[in-house]
Amino acid sequence: GENVEQHPSTLSVQEGDSAVIKCTYSDSASNYFPWYKQELGKGPQLIIDIRSNVGEKKDQRIAVTLNKTAKHFSLHITETQPEDSAVYFCAANYGGSQGNLIFGKGTKLSVKP
Amino acid sequence: EPEVTQTPSHQVTQMGQEVILRCVPISNHLYFYWYRQILGQKVEFLVSFYNNEISEKSEIFDDQFSVERPDGSNFTLKIRSTKLEDSAMYFCASSTSGTGGESQHFGDGTRLSIL
Repeated sequence: GENVEQHPSTLSVQEGDSAVIKCTYSDSASNYFPWYKQELGKGPQLIIDIRSNVGEKKDQRIAVTLNKTAKHFSLHITETQPEDSAVYFCAANYGGSQGNLIFGKGTKLSVKP
Repeated sequence: EPEVTQTPSHQVTQMGQEVILRCVPISNHLYFYWYRQILGQKVEFLVSFYNNEISEKSEIFDDQFSVERPDGSNFTLKIRSTKLEDSAMYFCASSTSGTGGESQHFGDGTRLSIL
């Protein structure tokens, strides 16, 4: 079946450093790629998304890049802060036109002060 | 900022019993979803719902499951004859558009524990 692979599963950085999380997807019809942040006891919170007609998108300290040919996309967080510590999930829409999202397994990011 | 609300936050049920999980989507959203997350695993799609009918469903969403929008604000997931393996976090989500998975906003979930 369709799959989204996410790496690394855990990531520890010092405050102020950058963090990069990478995902690959298998469904060539996927055209929407959101990133979610999940804090303990909370639901996934949409932090940024990108569509297949765009190669890069930035929102303050967060950026996402997409390489549709290679079927991979990445989340970049610059100037990390302790409050960035959470589990981050990438996702891709299944079948392109459908609404259901296929999620990666998540990356637990720890930002050390 | 508008948000998706789910109740209860934690539901404990005996195996074999029926359980109903409730969600109030964001008021101007038209597309509704249920996902589940087994402890320590990825979030998995269950079902999407639009215009009072199921749009898509996954293999997980078998005859044991049903969804309903009983009124203009609530969206429910019913699980009949619960099994131990139904224990998970269940998340409701909603969006303005159902095309391409656009901007789905999630609630904080209901933790379902089957004993």
